[in-house]
Amino acid sequence: AQTVTQSQPEMSVQEAETVTLSCTYDTSESDYYLFWYKQPPSRQMILVIRQEAYKQQNATENRFSVNFQKAAKSFSLKISDSQLGDAAMYFCAYRSLLTQGGSEKLVFGKGTKLTVNP
Amino acid sequence: EPEVTQTPSHQVTQMGQEVILRCVPISNHLYFYWYRQILGQKVEFLVSFYNNEISEKSEIFDDQFSVERPDGSNFTLKIRSTKLEDSAMYFCASSGPRIYGYTFGSGTRLTVV
Repeated sequence: AQTVTQSQPEMSVQEAETVTLSCTYDTSESDYYLFWYKQPPSRQMILVIRQEAYKQQNATENRFSVNFQKAAKSFSLKISDSQLGDAAMYFCAYRSLLTQGGSEKLVFGKGTKLTVNP
Repeated sequence: EPEVTQTPSHQVTQMGQEVILRCVPISNHLYFYWYRQILGQKVEFLVSFYNNEISEKSEIFDDQFSVERPDGSNFTLKIRSTKLEDSAMYFCASSGPRIYGYTFGSGTRLTVV
């Protein structure tokens, strides 16, 4: 079974600075998807960014980018020019590729609470 | 942007009662899911639903739980005989093309007293 580990329970960053959240995962599959979700105090789950494992290029969405290291099974999230609205829980998640008979479900890490200081 | 809608946002129920949590997935999505998050813990998969049947369920999803898509738009999670440990945030999600992530609803906070 796949597992996702987020080793940083809490992180803080100064407004306008850059912060990197870590995520590692364990799988025997060769193709899969990885996601970062944001959960603000409202507790809604918001998709931040996704990465297909077969793509070597790191995904980028505005101020959010990932460093995907497939061999190391590492998927970190970098937030540039941090804003107060970025304060939230961030969850890393893994999903199998169904064409390989994988599971539908998302496997989540335990989350990292990000605080943005003004 | 299309949304997944969940109602109610908060429900309080007495232990032993039945509750139904409701969700309206995005209209052209075909795959539907329920997850739960006990306060302060990680998000856990409960069940996935496709083509009017359960496609996968977790060990949490025992006989106490059931899902239904009664009318082609709503997707419901029924919890029979609720227990204190069922108190959690319950998220509905849907997905369309499989290469994309899910779209989650805003959740229903269930409190069992």
